[in-house]
Amino acid sequence: SQKIEQNSEALNIQEGKTATLTCNYTNYSPAYLQWYRQDPGRGPVFLLLIRENEKEKRKERLKVTFDTTLKQSLFHITASQPADSATYLCAPTGSGGYNKLIFGAGTRLAVHP
Amino acid sequence: DGGITQSPKYLFRKEGQNVTLSCEQNLNHDAMYWYRQDPGQGLRLIYYSQIVNDFQKGDIAEGYSVSREKKESFPLTVTSAQKNPTAFYLCASSRGVGGTDTQYFGPGTRLTVL
Repeated sequence: SQKIEQNSEALNIQEGKTATLTCNYTNYSPAYLQWYRQDPGRGPVFLLLIRENEKEKRKERLKVTFDTTLKQSLFHITASQPADSATYLCAPTGSGGYNKLIFGAGTRLAVHP
Repeated sequence: DGGITQSPKYLFRKEGQNVTLSCEQNLNHDAMYWYRQDPGQGLRLIYYSQIVNDFQKGDIAEGYSVSREKKESFPLTVTSAQKNPTAFYLCASSRGVGGTDTQYFGPGTRLTVL
């Protein structure tokens, strides 16, 4: 069955450093991959979408990569700030017809001043 | 303001009772979804609806029911048949169901069974 793996342990980094979160998937060949941010007790918020033919996508301090050979996406936050502290979810999806988003459990990021 | 709302934010239920969670959107989206989130787990799909008067079971539909009589509304009923209903429930909507359609989530309802 399709499986999404994100680091279950929290990632703790110092303010100003680059945070890198990993999303690995198996038994799946997604055409797209979406990243969401979720704050405690709230619904996820969409951040970025990357297509399988795009190696990299950027939005302000965020960068996402998509390696279909490794079956992996990396999510980077540069110059991290305490306000970036949250849980980040990856969600690969296919193409054609109904495309169910399969969410990973997420990685909690804590940025310390 | 366009958005998606859920009510109530917190809900307590006695064992054996049915309870209905509300979800409303004014984004003019065709597709709507219900997810369940448990601690340390990803979002699991309960039901989804691509269009009014149509809905499909997700991965964990047992013990739940939905209706989609209006485009704006997609209520979820948690029945007494759901063995472990205590969880955080999230409603979402999207323009369509293609791979590039991103989902907009409501603030969630935390259901506790006493």
